[in-house]
Amino acid sequence: EVKLVESGGGLVQPGRSLKLSCAASGFSFNDYWMGWVRQAPGKGLEWIGEINQDSSTINYTPSLKDKFTISRDNAQNTLYLQMSKLGSEDTAIYYCARDGGRACYFDYWGQGVMVTVSS
Amino acid sequence: DTVLTQSPALAVSPGERVTISCRASESVSTLMHWYQQKPGQQPTLLIYLASNLESGVPARFSGSGSGTDFTLTIDPVEADDTATYYCQQSWNDPRTFGGGTKLELK
Repeated sequence: EVKLVESGGGLVQPGRSLKLSCAASGFSFNDYWMGWVRQAPGKGLEWIGEINQDSSTINYTPSLKDKFTISRDNAQNTLYLQMSKLGSEDTAIYYCARDGGRACYFDYWGQGVMVTVSS
Repeated sequence: DTVLTQSPALAVSPGERVTISCRASESVSTLMHWYQQKPGQQPTLLIYLASNLESGVPARFSGSGSGTDFTLTIDPVEADDTATYYCQQSWNDPRTFGGGTKLELK
């Protein structure tokens, strides 16, 4: 069974950094692109970015490229999202997801982790 | 960025046929995908590459379209289909999602 479990969320002050993790199991992690999507309270989905199998290609939505960094550790079957200079606009549920079609679509999603940016 | 436009909401009765549209601001070929998100849950994949039904998804769901105009059809609609439906394109960078269509059952 494919499982994706995010962790590392919580309350963080504006301007600070936070690193999210996504533990993957039930599939061969190093065979898949992986990505992050977020959803602000009551809003729609926003694509953050994606990373290929060996981390040689990482794509971001342009508005977040200077703030967020996606990485992965294939030995640990874990995906990461490093977030810096956080503002209230970054308050959202953050989902990690498996790309089922080579940088195409997300066929499995984690349950999400909440990040709240507030003083 | 490629903007995907969806109608905000629809209301239908169980047993009816419903079509949810997604219009792209530029061509996305057939790299359009559809997700269902029920309240308090993560999204789930319904349709990939415009018309391919994801494994385990009921055959009541279908997708069509190419270029800039795409449709998700549910026929017949069931009470459990109450959810928000999102389209997503992966032809152009960055990948983008539509704003979502909230489907309510009468």
